[in-house]
Amino acid sequence: EIVLTQFPVTLSLSPGERATLSCRASQNISSYLAWYQQKPGQAPRLLIYDASNRATDIPARFSGSGSGTDFTLTISSLQPEDFAVYYCQQRTNWPPVTFGQGTRVEIK
Amino acid sequence: QVQLQQWGAGLLRSSETLSLTCDVYGGSFSGYYWTWIRQPPGKGLEWMGEITHRGRTTYNPSLKSRVTISVDTSKTQFTLRLSSVTAADTAVYYCARTATVTTRAADLWGQGTLVIVSS
Repeated sequence: EIVLTQFPVTLSLSPGERATLSCRASQNISSYLAWYQQKPGQAPRLLIYDASNRATDIPARFSGSGSGTDFTLTISSLQPEDFAVYYCQQRTNWPPVTFGQGTRVEIK
Repeated sequence: QVQLQQWGAGLLRSSETLSLTCDVYGGSFSGYYWTWIRQPPGKGLEWMGEITHRGRTTYNPSLKSRVTISVDTSKTQFTLRLSSVTAADTAVYYCARTATVTTRAADLWGQGTLVIVSS
């Protein structure tokens, strides 16, 4: 099973600041990584697939990068609606599909 | 516009079988994995398994002995069954659509169903 480790666990930032979230895989997953955003009481929403492709209707301030074992989600300028929990997910070597434990982006 | 609408019992007793169904409204039923994912309160996401429109299933090995996913293409719905539930199965359960070729990610989700297992 591929383990995904996200860091930091919590990121405290102010609106307008840049957010950098990391996800590390326990083995090479090529570029088959997705990022999701989840707000309280809501289902997750797909942001990024294949490490760097924005999903439909996702704003350009969200970008993804990386390949192999190290991946990054960047939010260029945090908007009030971006404060949420973010998960990475892989399905390169499945079953099982696995998720990281999440990074919470909170208002400083 | 494609929508997933899930339904099923939200309160179970230990040893019972959880059963949730997800109706798919609009769009194609083929070309996707129809997926179940759960989230214990305050915790992260766990992939449970998925099924294709042809009925090919893949399960999380950690749940494999207890989980069954089935599909009814005539009703465009798929169903999760989890047997012998315990308090550890208390979670919000989500159905989702995963594209097999394009995104290979869950790009559409149901609203979620909180299932509480009491002892």
